[in-house]
Amino acid sequence: QVQLVQSGAEVKKPGASVKVSCKASGYTFTDNTLHWVRQAPGQGLEWMGWLNTYNGNTKYSQSFQGRVTITTDPSAGAAYMELSMLVSEDTAVYFCARERAGSGLKNYFDPWGQGTLVTVS
Amino acid sequence: QSALTQPASVSGSPGQSITISCTGTSGDVGGYDYVSWFQQHPGKVPKLLIYAVSNRPSGVSHRFSGSKAGNTASLTISGLQAEDEADYYCISYTDTSARVFGTGTKLSVL
Repeated sequence: QVQLVQSGAEVKKPGASVKVSCKASGYTFTDNTLHWVRQAPGQGLEWMGWLNTYNGNTKYSQSFQGRVTITTDPSAGAAYMELSMLVSEDTAVYFCARERAGSGLKNYFDPWGQGTLVTVS
Repeated sequence: QSALTQPASVSGSPGQSITISCTGTSGDVGGYDYVSWFQQHPGKVPKLLIYAVSNRPSGVSHRFSGSKAGNTASLTISGLQAEDEADYYCISYTDTSARVFGTGTKLSVL
């Protein structure tokens, strides 16, 4: 089945960087755009950016411009989200999500990864 | 890009219908038919309910429906059930090819 599996929880100090992985299985990795979304404790969903897994193009939210880098390793069927200069407000669960390909399917996010808790303390 | 505006909370009794609004601008909700809705239960991964304003993925109950008028999209849940109690989020494509989520709405089933 189509699945996204993320790396495990991380604890980082302020000022450090964190890199979260998202490994895909059950479909052709380069067929779909991957998005990264985060959710701080008790807060809403926040879109961070997308990755075109075919050509490596990216688009980031202005809220994270300069601090977030999304990369891909197509041979491994994996994507990575690195967030730098961490502050306590970056404590959140970080999700990757696959966007279905095709006309009219923008924001068709399915499946999602299980989420990775990043704690900055 | 500011978050889309949703009511913080809505409530309804079992069997009733409720509507959650999602207001943006002409640069996002109003400009594109790429609004999706997600349901999230506590501690769970978001689940897609509606895509492209009014389309339901297979397996999603017909009790969930979506629409859009101008810069505001709406999610309607009919025949409310206890299991519908959850948080709901809209998301829209934007004119810079980014995405923006709504502020989220907590649905209480009384």
